[in-house]
Amino acid sequence: GQSLEQPSEVTAVEGAIVQINCTYQTSGFYGLSWYQQHDGGAPTFLSYNALDGLEETGRFSSFLSRSDSYGYLLLQELQMKDSASYFCAVRDEYSGAGSYQLTFGKGTKLSVIP
Amino acid sequence: DTGVSQNPRHKITKRGQNVTFRCDPISEHNRLYWYRQTLGQGPEFLTYFQNEAQLEKSRLLSDRFSAERPKGSFSTLEIQRTEQGDSAMYLCASSDSRAGASHAGELFFGEGSRLTVL
Repeated sequence: GQSLEQPSEVTAVEGAIVQINCTYQTSGFYGLSWYQQHDGGAPTFLSYNALDGLEETGRFSSFLSRSDSYGYLLLQELQMKDSASYFCAVRDEYSGAGSYQLTFGKGTKLSVIP
Repeated sequence: DTGVSQNPRHKITKRGQNVTFRCDPISEHNRLYWYRQTLGQGPEFLTYFQNEAQLEKSRLLSDRFSAERPKGSFSTLEIQRTEQGDSAMYLCASSDSRAGASHAGELFFGEGSRLTVL
């Protein structure tokens, strides 16, 4: 079966850097996505990694190691508005290469404090 | 581009009643997904359409659930004989499968329809 593990809660100070880890167990892995969701809001796409390495988009970066079944989301120069839940999600054999269906983790609630 | 639209945003119903949710995806998107999310959990996949064809259904989707996308545009999700365990946020998402249109792992979500079954 599939499983994704990420910390349930993280607290960090405004202006700091925080890393949210995600480990996964799945068959036929295709890629790892990250989503942000504010309370009462829609999940919004942040990044997608299909290959090993670091992808950078502004203050956010995402890393993938396929051999370790591990990825992380790095948020720099934290702002109060970054307080939200962050989900990792996999495309895998269950989804199928043509499916685009994603399996989500349970999410990490990030609290940014002054 | 007005984004993915869902309605109603909130629905309170009594156990045993039927409910229907509507999703209007981003207009040029050919793929449409339904997910369910409960408090403190990530979205769980229910079903997905490519154009009007329903291509995948989760084992979570009992016979009481049915989804349609009759003309490959909007979609409806109906839950018959609702149970208290059906209380959740029902999220719709869409994506564009054309090459280069978006990242493979990128879905565009609506703000959801919250169902409360009393």
